[in-house]
Formats: sequence, C-alpha cells, structure tokens
Amino acid sequence: QVQLQESGPGLVKPSETLSLTCSVSGGSINSRYWSWIRQPPGKGLEWIGYIYYSGNTNYNPSLKSRVTISVDTSKTQFSLRLNSVTAADTAVYYCARLDGNSENYWGQGTLVTVSS
Amino acid sequence: QSVLTQPPSASGTPGQRVTISCSGSSSTIGNNYVHWYQQLPGTAPKLLIYRNDQRPSGVPDRFSGSKSGTSASLAISGLRSEDEADYYCAVWDGSLWIFGGGTNLAVL
Repeated sequence: QVQLQESGPGLVKPSETLSLTCSVSGGSINSRYWSWIRQPPGKGLEWIGYIYYSGNTNYNPSLKSRVTISVDTSKTQFSLRLNSVTAADTAVYYCARLDGNSENYWGQGTLVTVSS
Repeated sequence: QSVLTQPPSASGTPGQRVTISCSGSSSTIGNNYVHWYQQLPGTAPKLLIYRNDQRPSGVPDRFSGSKSGTSASLAISGLRSEDEADYYCAVWDGSLWIFGGGTNLAVL
C-alpha cells in the first residue's frame, strides 16, 4: 500500500520560503504524477501543482510564479518550495498521488503557519 | 471562488437520501470526468467516487455519482451519522486539478 508523509517546518516567517518534503513508501515513485494540495483553515482544497517522476512539472496558474516542485527518485521523495509567503499561505499542505482512477493516495497533511 | 460550484451546506436525517450538486462548464465537467472526495474532520480527503460514477473498493454502495452535461451529483442513501463530513467534487481539466468549494453535510 502506497503511503505518503509530509515533513517540514510548521512555522514560516512572512516573505520567506516555505519548504516541504513528501516521502513515498510502499510503492515506486516512477511513472507517476505527484501533487501538492493545500487547504487554508476552514476553507476548501486548492491544487498547487504536480511533478512527474521524470521531473516534468505543471503548476496552478494562481501560484506558478512562486512555486517550485522537485523530485528525488533515489530517495523516493518530492518537494515543494513556495517563496515570498504571506499569511494567506497559512494552510494544511497535503502531498498526494491523484491518478484519476481508483489509485488515489494522500498524506496526512501538515499545517504550515505563516507568522512573524 | 471555485469554477466548480457546490452548495456550501446540506443536511438530512438518518436513513434519508441526500444529493450534493457540482456545477461547472463545458471546459470542466462537460468534457472531463468528475471525482468526489469525502473529508472527515481533521483528516485527509478520501476518494469516494471516480470517473463520474465508479466506486473504489471499500466504498459502500450507499454512495453513488452521476453526471449530466455540465453538472454532476453525489447521492448518499441510507444516511448515517458517520457521513457527516465535507464533500468535494474535482475535475482534471487537462492541465490542472480543480476542486469545488466543498459542501458541509450535517446529519441531524
């Protein structure tokens, strides 16, 4: 069974860079698309972007200028960097594999708070 | 505000049948599959319906999905207290994943 686990700082200062890593276990990271999704407190889900195992990326236009997603297949990990953060970036961040079929895996999520 | 429109709230009593709608456009729902997620408080979303009307293994047949034109619906029959959750529709439009704003379902 594929499992995903987010890790990273829970507190980031305004204007700094949010960095999270998702560790994938129980399955190969190859030949799959790996996504980041976020959810502000009390609000809905927002897809941030995905990376293919080969390194190809696609980002939500609303965040594209500030987002970088990378992958390290040797460590079966992929990462998110979001720069110039503000309080509006405070959210639970999920990593996930969304295949568009019954194969659908999410991490438990990690709360990142942007505050000085 | 999402391009997939859901009612913010819905409610029903135990045993009832409730439906949650998701309205989009030809570029979202009209030409793509709709997926539905259930999110219990404090947990990650769980896939409930994929490709309009398919249930993943382990999802009770009380949950069903349908799509017509630019709208989709999630139906829950035999409503139970544990169905109290947030429900999201989602679409892959060919370049990005789009989620509906979510519907909070209360079981009265």
